[in-house]
Amino acid sequence: GQQLNQSPQSMFIQEGEDVSMNCTSSSIFNTWLWYKQDPGEGPVLLIALYKAGELTSNGRLTAQFGITRKDSFLNISASIPSDVGIYFCAGTLIQGAQKLVFGQGTRLTINP
Amino acid sequence: DAGITQSPRHKVTETGTPVTLRCHQTENHRYMYWYRQDPGHGLRLIHYSYGVKDTDKGEVSDGYSVSRSKTEDFLLTLESATSSQTSVYFCAISESTGFYGYTFGSGTRLTVV
Repeated sequence: GQQLNQSPQSMFIQEGEDVSMNCTSSSIFNTWLWYKQDPGEGPVLLIALYKAGELTSNGRLTAQFGITRKDSFLNISASIPSDVGIYFCAGTLIQGAQKLVFGQGTRLTINP
Repeated sequence: DAGITQSPRHKVTETGTPVTLRCHQTENHRYMYWYRQDPGHGLRLIHYSYGVKDTDKGEVSDGYSVSRSKTEDFLLTLESATSSQTSVYFCAISESTGFYGYTFGSGTRLTVV
């Protein structure tokens, strides 16, 4: 079953606002990844995190691998219309395993 | 682009009919996966492959079978489609060494009527 709890499930914000979403689990993860899915397309990798405590940025996006290894967050600063989409967290439970577990997704809607 | 294509992109089929979805990659990646995406459930793993003729079940494998006779192709078959299998299906690939995330195809929207 689902091992990642992602929140919020949806967000409605104004253009220019900052966004924060997170994923939590009762299990320990060795890798955390954040994906974005545009309508009608497959998810695309945004940020990958490999070490507890790691903080990584990709433009206006910042993500962190939680110290406990059981959570991660993604922040988007100064949102723009093209940020609209569904954001998924994902992680691997076993070192070197090639299977990802996905969160339920956060649907981001931006009002211009 | 990553060199992964899914076909067909859209399909409508009747309950009880067999359906095969195809995933084709040009990256020579060892690992291939089939996921389904449904509202409120995110992406759930159906089956995956770690090499030619090497496959294993995911969390929602009932009613699905897969085959991988060549590195580049991974087929997902619904032997007898049901309305509960109406979904968007995604194929993904990953590199054979290390772990850098999956690359996804554009998806197949399947409607079972």
